[in-house]
Amino acid sequence: SQKIEQNSEALNIQEGKTATLTCNYTNYSPAYLQWYRQDPGRGPVFLLLIRENEKEKRKERLKVTFDTTLKQSLFHITASQPADSATYLCAQGGPTGTASKLTFGTGTRLQVTL
Amino acid sequence: DTGVSQDPRHKITKRGQNVTFRCDPISEHNRLYWYRQTLGQGPEFLTYFQNEAQLEKSRLLSDRFSAERPKGSFSTLEIQRTEQGDSAMYLCASSFSWEQFFGPGTRLTVL
Repeated sequence: SQKIEQNSEALNIQEGKTATLTCNYTNYSPAYLQWYRQDPGRGPVFLLLIRENEKEKRKERLKVTFDTTLKQSLFHITASQPADSATYLCAQGGPTGTASKLTFGTGTRLQVTL
Repeated sequence: DTGVSQDPRHKITKRGQNVTFRCDPISEHNRLYWYRQTLGQGPEFLTYFQNEAQLEKSRLLSDRFSAERPKGSFSTLEIQRTEQGDSAMYLCASSFSWEQFFGPGTRLTVL
């Protein structure tokens, strides 16, 4: 079955640096990947979506890449701030390309320190 | 606030009791999803409605779990004969397109 793998170890980074989080998937290439942010005790909040025919997507300080050869998506936060500290979840939709249920990775916790 | 709301936010129950959770999606959204999340894990899909039709159920959803979405508006998730393994955060999400909007979740503790 399809799996989404994220580094379960926390990522600690200094304020101002670029944080890079990795999402790997097995088996089939999903039609799209989504990235969500989750703060403790709250539901996930959508950040970005990237389709399989897109190599890169940007939104303010956020950048997502999608490499179907490596079966990997990278999520970058530039000029990171302590307020960026949270768990970041990678999720894939179904192979058909239609909006559908999401399969999530375990998430990577990011801690940005002063 | 016009976001997704869930009620209750917290529920403590004894093993063997039945519990019911409610989700009110964003009003113009036709799709509604239920997920379950345990500590250190990402959300796991449970079931999905398009309008009032339940289109998919996960194999995780045993026969003790049932969900409804009458009239295609709010949804309820009922767990019968709760077990300690049911302790988790139950998340509801709604969508009109690709992006899913999540509610704050209902945290269930089964003693």
